[in-house]
Amino acid sequence: QKEVEQNSGPLSVPEGAIASLNCTYSDRGSQSFFWYRQYSGKSPELIMSIYSNGDKEDGRFTAQLNKASQYVSLLIRDSQPSDSATYLCAVSTGTASKLTFGTGTRLQVTL
Amino acid sequence: SAVISQKPSRDICQRGTSLTIQCQVDSQVTMMFWYRQQPGQSLTLIATANQGSEATYESGFVIDKFPISRPNLTFSTLTVSNMSPEDSSIYLCSVGGTASRSYGYTFGSGTRLTVV
Repeated sequence: QKEVEQNSGPLSVPEGAIASLNCTYSDRGSQSFFWYRQYSGKSPELIMSIYSNGDKEDGRFTAQLNKASQYVSLLIRDSQPSDSATYLCAVSTGTASKLTFGTGTRLQVTL
Repeated sequence: SAVISQKPSRDICQRGTSLTIQCQVDSQVTMMFWYRQQPGQSLTLIATANQGSEATYESGFVIDKFPISRPNLTFSTLTVSNMSPEDSSIYLCSVGGTASRSYGYTFGSGTRLTVV
């Protein structure tokens, strides 16, 4: 069983729609959860972090965490073509601990 | 978040040679991490670089192949030794933070290595 699992996609959504990206993890000791966006040929860029159960909103992005179900998700509202990228889910057991990445979900926002 | 300067940004190297990649951080950080991203794949952790002690390597990675230095709290190097075409990848450094402050695991801009 992989430690962090994501659907590889591609996930295709029309412009203006909500994109929903999902991630599950196996280590119940995980405390910190991150979503990264990676454009082709670029390094990952942190877009959301979440540490507590519930929702965390930042602009068009909402991260959702459910530790009981070992599930974290990212919602992107009003999706734009510029959101087309690979989204990586990552978890760690602490602020100075190593990150474990999922395989990433490729998002395509269509016109 | 911390700002990381990574160099070189890319290089083309002959097989059998070595390349050293440098990362400089604008803040003191406890942990620095080195990742590899092979074409079309996600990030795989190579090792965690601790200041003042030997790096901790993940399964499948060894010190002889990927020696790491961490002379202070703002700098680290990763060397890819005796390179083969299979080492062609993007190499990334990252910082996590200190025990009291998270930098959200910022990444350097990456080093795109091609071995011919």
